[in-house]
Amino acid sequence: EPEVTQTPSHQVTQMGQEVILRCVPISNHLYFYWYRQILGQKVEFLVSFYNNEISEKSEIFDDQFSVERPDGSNFTLKIRSTKLEDSAMYFCASSEGGDLQPQHFGDGTRLSIL
Amino acid sequence: AQSVTQLGSHVSVSEGALVLLRCNYSSSVPPYLFWYVQYPNQGLQLLLKYTSAATLVKGINGFEAEFKKSETSFHLTKPSAHMSDAAEYFCAVSRPSSGGYNKLIFGAGTRLAVHP
Repeated sequence: EPEVTQTPSHQVTQMGQEVILRCVPISNHLYFYWYRQILGQKVEFLVSFYNNEISEKSEIFDDQFSVERPDGSNFTLKIRSTKLEDSAMYFCASSEGGDLQPQHFGDGTRLSIL
Repeated sequence: AQSVTQLGSHVSVSEGALVLLRCNYSSSVPPYLFWYVQYPNQGLQLLLKYTSAATLVKGINGFEAEFKKSETSFHLTKPSAHMSDAAEYFCAVSRPSSGGYNKLIFGAGTRLAVHP
């Protein structure tokens, strides 16, 4: 069964550094999402992306965050200047689109900011 | 605004016993509801979804959930727990969107332990 893949599985970065988290969504999917889960807290929506633009973003997704689909397969989340509070598990998800289609999640990238 | 409350952050059952994981939602519009499971070091896997068709929804691995509008609930059940069911379970809500995407709002999760 096709799956969403995320790399790396664990990223350790110094505070203030830029980090790029990578995702390869399922190939025929059209809608892409990023969520994060701070340790011990809920999974939180960050952003949704369709047709090469952001369709919705949360309050968390400030100017330090950006998303991009640089080619036909990858979907990336960039954090420009990381803060300690950015430490979390970041999940990528994709769906075919349409309200009835579920989101398929990757295994996540654990981001640790030192 | 939509929200989800999962009652009980930890549930422990014996192998073979009934599993009941509780989820209550708040939504100003008819919601779509989902249950996801997360095994250690893995992503979120869809168990089942409610999208306004049948109120009793059957999912994978023998799980099912019943949508009760009057109680704003979407509890997850399984008649007989198996050791492999030990995982964290997340209830999520979204609302219909003309844009075709559906932002998920998650509950805090319930960790299910199954003991022999």
